[in-house]
Amino acid sequence: GAVVSQHPSRVICKSGTSVKIECRSLDFQATTMFWYRQFPKQSLMLMATSNEGSKATYEQGVEKDKFLINHASLTLSTLTVTSAHPEDSSFYICSAQGDSGLSSYNEQFFGPGTRLTVL
Amino acid sequence: AQTVTQSQPEMSVQEAETVTLSCTYDTSENNYYLFWYKQPPSRQMILVIRQEAYKQQNATENRFSVNFQKAAKSFSLKISDSQLGDTAMYFCALHNTDKLIFGTGTRLQVFP
Repeated sequence: GAVVSQHPSRVICKSGTSVKIECRSLDFQATTMFWYRQFPKQSLMLMATSNEGSKATYEQGVEKDKFLINHASLTLSTLTVTSAHPEDSSFYICSAQGDSGLSSYNEQFFGPGTRLTVL
Repeated sequence: AQTVTQSQPEMSVQEAETVTLSCTYDTSENNYYLFWYKQPPSRQMILVIRQEAYKQQNATENRFSVNFQKAAKSFSLKISDSQLGDTAMYFCALHNTDKLIFGTGTRLQVFP
């Protein structure tokens, strides 16, 4: 299957600083990328959907000015947590979706996740 | 609104035995896809099995099979010959309109 990477895998930062997380599709072009957040022992919650070259679509309740998403190329999307606070500490997972072609379904391939800890 | 419900927070099974994880969902769409994902301690999401709603035949992948009851909106996962490596969180998910909606998950423990 297709490979999606995330960097960094783990980051610790001080409160008030900004943190950037990268999501890359390594062997396919991702027309759409998704960002999820997962709290301990909870499910994945979709934060936003980004399409290459256009603005991200945020889910209800997600602050777009706090979680900046950029999808500048078909292989890279970034999530920047601005002015991070301890409540932003979580596990962030991206997924990437290529062109479905003739298929009626477009599979999402998941990255390994990034653990963010804000002190 | 689309929802996915997993009513079993935790399950356990002895190695080599069979276990069934439950999932119900709600959607007004007629064409959709259902999935079971596995999330081991590494936290990497792994696709276990997929079911297209328009297919009546239940999907199978080696030791993993589903019981898809469209009218009842039920989608259970059966794991046969359980292995220690099956220990993980299992998430049921519904896909349509380009979004994945996840259930709350079932933590499966396989013990020797």
